Amino acid sequence: EIVLTQSPGTLSLSPGERATLSCRASQSVRSSYLAWYQQKPGQAPRLLIYGASSRATGIPDRFSGSGSGTDFTLTLSRLEPEDFAVYYCQQYGTSPRTFGQGTKLEIK
Amino acid sequence: EVQLVESGGGLVQPGGSLRLSCAATGFTFSNFGMNWVRQAPGKGLEWVSYISDNSNIIYYADSVKGRFTISRDNAKNSLYLQMNSLRAEDTALYYCARAWELDYWGQGTLVTVSS
Repeated sequence: EIVLTQSPGTLSLSPGERATLSCRASQSVRSSYLAWYQQKPGQAPRLLIYGASSRATGIPDRFSGSGSGTDFTLTLSRLEPEDFAVYYCQQYGTSPRTFGQGTKLEIK
Repeated sequence: EVQLVESGGGLVQPGGSLRLSCAATGFTFSNFGMNWVRQAPGKGLEWVSYISDNSNIIYYADSVKGRFTISRDNAKNSLYLQMNSLRAEDTALYYCARAWELDYWGQGTLVTVSS
């Protein structure tokens, strides 16, 4: 099983700042099948990024993903008030699919 | 518009069974693999199971293997999860989600396993 470790656990920033979230895999993720999701309280997760770097439909270009192999990054270039939420990475290249434990992005 | 609506959750005693359903609209259901993902109260996301578009490929998380069975009926645009031998640790909000990359999610159905 591929273990995904997200860091930091909590990130405190202000609107307008840049956020960098990390997701590290215990072994290489096949074909960069790595996705990022955003979840707000009381809501279902929403797909942001798939294939490590492709934005999902309707996702603003301030969200970007990068990385390959075992190291992946989600970057939010300029934080908007609605971006404060929990973010999860997930690998879907190997079964069982696994999620990271999440990074909470909170307002400073 | 893609919509996924889960149903079938509820309170069940340990050792009991429950069948979840997910009704899909707004896309050609038979063209997509589907997943179940769960989230225990206050916890993170846990992938549970995947079924391919034609049901030929099925995967399970180790935590549910041998107890849960995923299935689908493409004629009814529906996904199912039969859950047997339920345990307290299966208590969670259960989501259905579309495709390899989980591009669309339902709002979830709550399963509570308690005596």
